Amino acid sequence: AQKITQTQPGMFVQEKEAVTLDCTYDTSDPSYGLFWYKQPSSGEMIFLIYQGSYDQQNATEGRYSLNFQKARKSANLVISASQLGDSAMYFCAMRVNSGNTPLVFGKGTRLSVIA
Amino acid sequence: GAGVSQSPSNKVTEKGKDVELRCDPISGHTALYWYRQSLGQGLEFLIYFQGNSAPDKSGLPSDRFSAERTGGSVSTLTIQRTQQEDSAVYLCASSLQDFMNTEAFFGQGTRLTVV
Repeated sequence: AQKITQTQPGMFVQEKEAVTLDCTYDTSDPSYGLFWYKQPSSGEMIFLIYQGSYDQQNATEGRYSLNFQKARKSANLVISASQLGDSAMYFCAMRVNSGNTPLVFGKGTRLSVIA
Repeated sequence: GAGVSQSPSNKVTEKGKDVELRCDPISGHTALYWYRQSLGQGLEFLIYFQGNSAPDKSGLPSDRFSAERTGGSVSTLTIQRTQQEDSAVYLCASSLQDFMNTEAFFGQGTRLTVV
């Protein structure tokens, strides 16, 4: 079974600085997808970025990039030029490609951006 | 609307009562997920429906929990004989499971309070 681990319960970052949120995963399936979601205090879940296990390049979406290190089974989210509105919970998730499998989430990291 | 719709948005119930939570997925999405999120915690997987396949019920915490999906669309999560520890936000999500790289879209959730 697949597993997602986020070891940072909380992180602080100064406004305009970059921050890295850690995510490691465990699966024996060679084909999988990794996702990051943001959950602000309003509670909605906002999709940020996706990385496929066979993708040759790290995914980027605006200020978000994914530092994908397949051998280490890590998929860290990098947020550049942090903004106050980035303060939220961030969840890493994974889905494997074999059979019908659900999307599995980590426990999340609470990011606080300081002015 | 075009998004995932959940009802009710809030539910207060007395301990021991049964409750039904409803989810209307995005039209055409074959995959539907239920998650539970306790205050300040991560997303706990409950159950997963994919097309006409048997649902993955591996996350249901007890036999008091059940879910069904009628006609491959609307889903109902039922909790029988509610307990105080069932208090949480119940999130529903849907996705185009035919493609691994498509993200899951979440509803706003149902906040359940058992008193």
